[in-house]
Parts: sequence; structure tokens; C-alpha cells
Amino acid sequence: EAGVAQSPRYKIIEKRQSVAFWCNPISGHATLYWYQQILGQGPKLLIQFQNNGVVDDSQLPKDRFSAERLKGVDSTLKIQPAKLEDSAVYLCASSTPRGPAMGQFFGPGTRLTVL
Amino acid sequence: SQQGEEDPQALSIQEGENATMNCSYKTSINNLQWYRQNSGRGLVHLILIRSNEREKHSGRLRVTLDTSKKSSSLLITASRAADTASYFCATDTGRRALTFGSGTRLQVQP
Repeated sequence: EAGVAQSPRYKIIEKRQSVAFWCNPISGHATLYWYQQILGQGPKLLIQFQNNGVVDDSQLPKDRFSAERLKGVDSTLKIQPAKLEDSAVYLCASSTPRGPAMGQFFGPGTRLTVL
Repeated sequence: SQQGEEDPQALSIQEGENATMNCSYKTSINNLQWYRQNSGRGLVHLILIRSNEREKHSGRLRVTLDTSKKSSSLLITASRAADTASYFCATDTGRRALTFGSGTRLQVQP
């Protein structure tokens, strides 16, 4: 079974530029999550999708962050414009309601550096 | 804000020793999960314990949960160098996906 795929793995941009991340969850997983992990901290949920609908985006900085999940499969997360404090690893995860004991499956992440 | 807080922040032990990490949280939960993160395999789910369970085992892992104290512990027995990683507890309150703690960095010396 293929895992959660993310791209790119690394991205370096200057502040005020835009950036987009892509995630392909495990096939059949209806729930998709984007987390932000700042160095030395645990992941923080940014947004949760159930199929192509948003379940929770209360911690998403909506003035600069946006996310979509077209057709309930792939998802993109965009930052426009980026700030220095956005430097972090952006993790995508997916899960299935049929297997809560298995937890969430995480992708390798995209490491963003904002200069 | 972080729901869970792990203790200690860092732990260094010798191979073969046991490692114990603690997690405290603030609000009522449906379940509590432990994850491991290292550079090679990213963030991986280890074990889930439900709010009505007190102890759970999986291989060399033992997790306890005390809902009255809002705390959990993860015990890794007979540690190996490959167990070197950061360990996070994550709480599921049913209101938000998961809230992660700040993690314990475990170093197992060969």
C-alpha cells in the first residue's frame, strides 16, 4: 500500500512570495489533514477535510493560507504572501474512519524556509 | 496551543535500558495516541489507548492512561539504537483532529 505522498520535499522562498504544497493521501482515505510543525514543537493542525468538505479550519491563518481538496482526493495548501514565521515543516496526513486504532498516516512533509 | 505536554523534554539512555516518557493533557479526551518521528521515517503512529482503557501493550511498548490525573506514560522496554527519535503524545477530544504535545527527544546510545 502506497503511503501519503507530498511534494516538494524542500522549498526556499523569500518573504512576501507565494508557495504551494501538494498532497496525495492513501487511496480510500476520506479524511485529510494539514499540519504545521515548527522546529522543536509538535505538529499543529491547520485544516481537516472530510472528502472535499472542510471539517475544521479554525487554526488556519486565512489571511494568507488557503487549502483545497478538489474531488476529495489530492489537496493543495497555499501560502500567499509568506512571512518569516511560516518557516516550518508542513505535514499532510490521512485517515479512515474504519480504522481509528491505526491513527493517522503522515507523509514525509515539505520543509519550507522563508528568507 | 499544545494540549499535551511531554516530560522529560530529552532523555538519553543506553541500549537495553527501558525508557519512560510522560504526557499530561488538559481536557477530556476520547483517546490518546503516541507517535514517533525520526528523519528516516517521518511521523509514525505507534499506539492508541481509549479513554476507558488503563493499559495497553504492543510489542516492546506499554502505554498507561490515568484520566483522573489527565496523564499518560509510554514505556519502551529493552531499547535499541533504532528507537532514537522524538516521541509525541496526541489527544483526540472529538472536537478537533489531534492535538500534539511538544515531544520527548530520546537518544539511545549503542
